[in-house]
Amino acid sequence: GQQVMQIPQYQHVQEGEDFTTYCNSSTTLSNIQWYKQRPGGHPVFLIQLVKSGEVKKQKRLTFQFGEAKKNSSLHITATQTTDVGTYFCAGTPGTYKYIFGTGTRLKVLA
Amino acid sequence: EADIYQTPRYLVIGTGKKITLECSQTMGHDKMYWYQQDPGMELHLIHYSYGVNSTEKGDLSSESTVSRIRTEHFPLTLESARPSHTSQYLCASSEGQRSNEQFFGPGTRLTVL
Repeated sequence: GQQVMQIPQYQHVQEGEDFTTYCNSSTTLSNIQWYKQRPGGHPVFLIQLVKSGEVKKQKRLTFQFGEAKKNSSLHITATQTTDVGTYFCAGTPGTYKYIFGTGTRLKVLA
Repeated sequence: EADIYQTPRYLVIGTGKKITLECSQTMGHDKMYWYQQDPGMELHLIHYSYGVNSTEKGDLSSESTVSRIRTEHFPLTLESARPSHTSQYLCASSEGQRSNEQFFGPGTRLTVL
């Protein structure tokens, strides 16, 4: 079945450093979503990417969808303590059924 | 703020009991989902629904059942709870036409003794 892996599993950074998490699917995706889950909270939608090679920015966050639509990345510039949490990608081959990635837990040291 | 609600928020129950986790949304969304998430781990899809009277099993083998009699309501039932069911259960919904954004409820943390 479809699998979605994320690396790294954990990342500790000093405040102000950059951070990147990578998402890789075993199958071609129709679109991919990114979510952030704060400790003790529920996932919150960040963005959806649909087109091959698409790049979207939200303030310090940059999201990219690979050309083959099988991988994606989230890059945070100059991390802040408010960026702490687990970042999940979620992909679908074309239905409304999304498979979540394994997640990357980010800790930001002040 | 998303209008999706889950009750109870916490539940401790003995083995063999039948339980129903409630999920309701007031956004009129057609698509609804149940996920299981262990602490610090990924979300596993256990059931989903495309609309009233439409339910499908997800990828995670589950001994639970769901129903979708009304658009706003998507309850999850465990006929006989076991310690292996101890986890957090997250309900989500999406509009599905203009946007696939999933709105999540606060979750139900279930402990089966």
